[in-house]
Amino acid sequence: RKEVEQDPGPFNVPEGATVAFNCTYSNSASQSFFWYRQDCRKEPKLLMSVYSSGNEDGRFTAQLNRASQYISLLIRDSKLSDSATYLCVVNLNTGGFKTIFGAGTRLFVKA
Amino acid sequence: DVKVTQSSRYLVKRTGEKVFLECVQDMDHENMFWYRQDPGLGLRLIYFSYDVKMKEKGDIPEGYSVSREKKERFSLILESASTNQTSMYLCASTPWTTYEQYFGPGTRLTVT
Repeated sequence: RKEVEQDPGPFNVPEGATVAFNCTYSNSASQSFFWYRQDCRKEPKLLMSVYSSGNEDGRFTAQLNRASQYISLLIRDSKLSDSATYLCVVNLNTGGFKTIFGAGTRLFVKA
Repeated sequence: DVKVTQSSRYLVKRTGEKVFLECVQDMDHENMFWYRQDPGLGLRLIYFSYDVKMKEKGDIPEGYSVSREKKERFSLILESASTNQTSMYLCASTPWTTYEQYFGPGTRLTVT
């Protein structure tokens, strides 16, 4: 079982749709959580950190459920420019530094 | 804004050549990382460094070495390039305080 698993995708949605991505992690020592966005042939860029209380940034909402070891990202009112790969990222507290990247979920938003 | 730069965007090398990939960050971050990214395999950690002259192996260190002589600079070295090292190489840095990783633009290396 992978340490961080994401929906395989791709997701094809029309403009204006709401889309949700899910991510599960297996290590209970996981300490901090992030969503990154990666455009084709570009580097990953931090989209948002994920907190236990949930957090929102404009059209984007991230949620964390530690009991279920589950992270989600909700995008409302999708734009064409949201088309990208979304990476779920988990940092482990193992006495050292360990970051696990999910394989990513590809999103296509169509006009 | 955090700036992470990499020495080349595209590089073509021959099998057996020694290859140097340079990464520089301007935000005084303690931690720096080298990843490779391949289709279907995602991001895989090669090496990381949490301080000058310190280095730790990641998940796939074989065939690579690193150097960190200054805090802002982290170099990845392919001692003898092979075709299976053809990949996108990404450098990243992060402070201890947030663990948010900031990536450079990547170097697409082709070994022929």
